[in-house]
Amino acid sequence: KNEVEQSPQNLTAQEGEFITINCSYSVGISALHWLQQHPGGGIVSLFMLSSGKKKHGRLIATINIQEKHSSLHITASHPRDSAVYICAVRNYGGATNKLIFGTGTLLAVQP
Amino acid sequence: DGGITQSPKYLFRKEGQNVTLSCEQNLNHDAMYWYRQDPGQGLRLIYYSQIVNDFQKGDIAEGYSVSREKKESFPLTVTSAQKNPTAFYLCASNFGRHGGNTIYFGEGSWLTVV
Repeated sequence: KNEVEQSPQNLTAQEGEFITINCSYSVGISALHWLQQHPGGGIVSLFMLSSGKKKHGRLIATINIQEKHSSLHITASHPRDSAVYICAVRNYGGATNKLIFGTGTLLAVQP
Repeated sequence: DGGITQSPKYLFRKEGQNVTLSCEQNLNHDAMYWYRQDPGQGLRLIYYSQIVNDFQKGDIAEGYSVSREKKESFPLTVTSAQKNPTAFYLCASNFGRHGGNTIYFGEGSWLTVV
């Protein structure tokens, strides 16, 4: 079983819909990252969380440390949101700055 | 603008050849990382460096080598010993050991063995 699990693996939405992507992890963490990978392959960091909730534009990320779960929400989705969304965690107490990655959620927003 | 530059974007390698992927950052980051991405799998760590002139093996280091002679540069060599090198390679960097640092990625390099 992977230490970081994302769901769903694939998601198709209509423009304007509210989208939720989930991430569950099984290790103790010091931080959780949400990343966005565009079709060309480049990755952009969206959020880094250690507790609570963060919002940036139409994107909202939440984390529940006790339940070892995080969600990424996209409000009023748009075709330009189509990408792979990746959850990654930093293992708490690790001697290095290593991340453990989920396999990603492929989101397609149709006009 | 600050960022991470990877080159080349696309590279073809013949069997038995070594190839080197370049990664340069102007973010003044201490730590740099190389990841490999294969279809259906999460990114896997090849090598990382926390400081100049020091680097450590990641989870899949066999068949790869790196150097960190300058803070800005962390080239990855894919050697002929890497049996399945066709993949997408991503370089990343951040300010190092502390858990609260945002990580920045390059645009990636596609390597294909022909």
